[in-house]
Amino acid sequence: AQSVTQLDSHVSVSEGTPVLLRCNYSSSYSPSLFWYVQHPNKGLQLLLKYTSAATLVKGINGFEAEFKKSETSFHLTKPSAHMSDAAEYFCVVYIYNQGGKLIFGQGTELSVKP
Amino acid sequence: NAGVTQTPKFRVLKTGQSMTLLCAQDMNHEYMYWYRQDPGMGLRLIHYSVGEGTTAKGEVPDGYNVSRLKKQNFLLGLESAAPSQTSVYFCASSYQGPSFMNTEAFFGQGTRLTVV
Repeated sequence: AQSVTQLDSHVSVSEGTPVLLRCNYSSSYSPSLFWYVQHPNKGLQLLLKYTSAATLVKGINGFEAEFKKSETSFHLTKPSAHMSDAAEYFCVVYIYNQGGKLIFGQGTELSVKP
Repeated sequence: NAGVTQTPKFRVLKTGQSMTLLCAQDMNHEYMYWYRQDPGMGLRLIHYSVGEGTTAKGEVPDGYNVSRLKKQNFLLGLESAAPSQTSVYFCASSYQGPSFMNTEAFFGQGTRLTVV
């Protein structure tokens, strides 16, 4: 079965330090993978996506993610956290053979300390 | 530039009541989705549609029905609300399947539903 697992439910960093949010996927097919961000009481916004082109994907607000097939991972990183990065982040996989399903991970809440 | 609009934004229902959530998109998108968001569980797919007149079940379809009579609208119905359906509901749409390079899924602002 296809699924996605976010390894940390909560990550806390200090402003100016690196961010790492971990995501592993399980898929029988070559997946498409996404990271979405949700700020408090807001909808979801696409940060970046991988669709079998370059394995290192750059997104908005300085975020990037690397697709590693051998590790079935798609971790999200940012070199230097900003207070405005505090939000919930979702790793998402698109299931090719099931007609358009987007499957979400459980979410990782990122806190940024001053 | 409305994008994806959900109505209502908030609602309180009594157990056993029925209601319909409306999702409207003005981007001529083929694909539309309904999700529910619960703490610690991410977003779970309820139902989705890959085109006008089509619907399909997602991960948690029980207790919900949907209709896609018009391309721009995707309705989510609760026939007999239960407290377990207390959640935040999100609608999303995309032009094609989300794997296409020029496609992303756009989300509405959510509907907070409480069933007492």
